[in-house]
Amino acid sequence: DGGITQSPKYLFRKEGQNVTLSCEQNLNHDAMYWYRQDPGQGLRLIYYSQIVNDFQKGDIAEGYSVSREKKESFPLTVTSAQKNPTAFYLCASSIITDPYGYTFGSGTRLTVV
Amino acid sequence: DQQVKQNSPSLSVQEGRISILNCDYTNSMFDYFLWYKKYPAEGPTFLISISSIKDKNEDGRFTVFLNKSAKHLSLHIVPSQPGDSAVYFCAASHSGNTGKLIFGQGTTLQVKP
Repeated sequence: DGGITQSPKYLFRKEGQNVTLSCEQNLNHDAMYWYRQDPGQGLRLIYYSQIVNDFQKGDIAEGYSVSREKKESFPLTVTSAQKNPTAFYLCASSIITDPYGYTFGSGTRLTVV
Repeated sequence: DQQVKQNSPSLSVQEGRISILNCDYTNSMFDYFLWYKKYPAEGPTFLISISSIKDKNEDGRFTVFLNKSAKHLSLHIVPSQPGDSAVYFCAASHSGNTGKLIFGQGTTLQVKP
C-alpha cells in the first residue's frame, strides 16, 4: 500500500538542540517537499527537491537543512538557528508529470520545551 | 507577500445548506488552482482543482469557480454534511514554477447537524 510516512508524530526539543524529522515515500515520486503550518498562516514552503542529490530553498528555509540521498527519503533537520521552531511540519511528494498532485504525510508536531 | 489569501478564517453552516469558501490571489501568472481538505493532526488531502482555461469544475457535491478577471476562486459544497467539517486550503501554481504550490491561510468550516 503506497504512501508517505512521517515520523515521529510528536517531537519535543530543548532549545539549542537540532532535531531531524523523517519523511519516507514508496510512491516512486520524483519530487518531495517540506511545509510548515502555523495558525493563521497556511502552509509555507521550507525546502523542496525534484531529483536525488538536489534540493532548493523555499520561502522560509532559514534555520532548516535537508538532504536527498535517496529518492524515497527527504529528512528535514530543524537546527538551533531556527528561532521559532514550534509548528506542525508536513512532508509531501509528487510526480514530475503531475506536479500539482501532491500526496501529503500525516505531519509531525514539533514543540520546543 | 501573501500571494494567495483566504480572508475568512472560519465559516459555520447548517447541515444541508451550501458552504461557500473564498480565495483571492495576486499573481496573474497562476494557471492552476487546487483545494485541499485537512482534518486535525492529519495531512491535507486533495479535493478538487481547476485550470485557468476553465471557469468551473464540478465533482459531486463540490464545485470550484474561477473568476480570472477578479483573481478570485470559490469552492461550493452542496449539500454540506457534518463530515465536511475541516480546514480547507486554497493553493495555486503556475507552469513556470516547477510544481510548487502556494497555499492560502486556510478556512475552518464547521457544519452543524
